[in-house]
Amino acid sequence: AAGVIQSPRHLIKEKRETATLKCYPIPRHDTVYWYQQGPGQDPQFLISFYEKMQSDKGSIPDRFSAQQFSDYHSELNMSSLELGDSALYFCASSLRTGGGYGYTFGSGTRLTVV
Amino acid sequence: AQKITQTQPGMFVQEKEAVTLDCTYDTSDQSYGLFWYKQPSSGEMIFLIYQGSYDEQNATEGRYSLNFQKARKSANLVISASQLGDSAMYFCAMREAVRGSNYKLTFGKGTLLTVNP
Repeated sequence: AAGVIQSPRHLIKEKRETATLKCYPIPRHDTVYWYQQGPGQDPQFLISFYEKMQSDKGSIPDRFSAQQFSDYHSELNMSSLELGDSALYFCASSLRTGGGYGYTFGSGTRLTVV
Repeated sequence: AQKITQTQPGMFVQEKEAVTLDCTYDTSDQSYGLFWYKQPSSGEMIFLIYQGSYDEQNATEGRYSLNFQKARKSANLVISASQLGDSAMYFCAMREAVRGSNYKLTFGKGTLLTVNP
């Protein structure tokens, strides 16, 4: 079965650079979520989209932006990168009414800022 | 306030024994969902088991079972017959509604399980 695809798997950027993370949800899933997981931390919710519209916003810095495109893939754009942005970034997708089996996570993008 | 509390930062268990990972939650919603995820050192987030707030029976998935005590707001994960490959971080998470029909998953701090041979 198709899973959530995230690219790239690993990314190394320098401070003040820009990074773009991509997420391809499971076909027919209508909701996409982005999470940030710092080293030794639990995943923190950043932002979500339902049917290409932003549906909820968490602790996402103003330097970050995200959108969902017409083909339902989503991109997380991060500018003016800081050392503290080094983390594992997860994308998950679900059906809004999907119950317990609706949330599927991608393998994550490990961002290292040097 | 923390919505999901996992009080055990680390747990050790002998191979082939059972282990219980604790999780308590806080919500005023009547409809919510509880999840357990496994995160091995490679980093991926693997879904293990789900319990809906209206489900009367405890969820079971193979060696995993969820001990759901609604009145106590607890959703403990029980792993039977532990295997070396069970060594990983385990997260409890809750799905709750935010602003109408949008939902969000909130995670606990996690429990690092080590299975000893």
